[in-house]
Amino acid sequence: QVQLVESGGGLVKPGGSLRLSCAASGFSFSDYYMSWIRQAPGKGLEWVSYISSSGSTIYYADSVKGRFTISRDNAKNSLYLQMKNLRAEDTAVYYCASGLWRQLWSFEYWGQGTLVTVSS
Amino acid sequence: QSALTQPASVSGSPGQSITISCTGTRSDIAVYNYVSWYQQYPGKAPKLMIYEASNRPSGVSNRFSGSKSGNTASLTISALQAEDEADYYCTSYTSSSTLVFGTGTWVTVL
Repeated sequence: QVQLVESGGGLVKPGGSLRLSCAASGFSFSDYYMSWIRQAPGKGLEWVSYISSSGSTIYYADSVKGRFTISRDNAKNSLYLQMKNLRAEDTAVYYCASGLWRQLWSFEYWGQGTLVTVSS
Repeated sequence: QSALTQPASVSGSPGQSITISCTGTRSDIAVYNYVSWYQQYPGKAPKLMIYEASNRPSGVSNRFSGSKSGNTASLTISALQAEDEADYYCTSYTSSSTLVFGTGTWVTVL
């Protein structure tokens, strides 16, 4: 069955960096677009970034542009989010999500999330 | 890009129907059909309920239906059940090539 497993979260100081990973299995990862979506504690969902199936098209939310970098390795069935210059407001559970087959901007499968806490 | 506007909460009795609205702008819902709805239980990952405004993914109950008119999308849950008590979020693609979420609506089954 489809599985998305995030890792790499943790406690980091403001201004620090962190790299999140998402390991995909149970589907043809290289055929699907992916996104990172986050949720601050007790708050709503916020889209962070999108990457096309080939990795050639990438978009970011304004709140993370210039600080976060999304990437993927289709040979390793993995999605990544490199986060730099982290701020307190980046504290959230980060989910990776896979696109719905042949439908744009809808996410069918989600991981369980990894918590990133930015605090001194 | 500001979040789409949803009511903070909606409630209904078992068996009733409820509708959740999602109001956007001329830069998102009004011009794109890429509107989705997600259900989220506390502490769990979201689940896709509706895509392209009115389509249900395989496995989603036909008690859930979506529609769109102008800059407002709607999710209707008919024959409300206790298991429908959850948070619901809408999303829309935007003219800035981004995705915007709604503010979220908590559904209470009385």
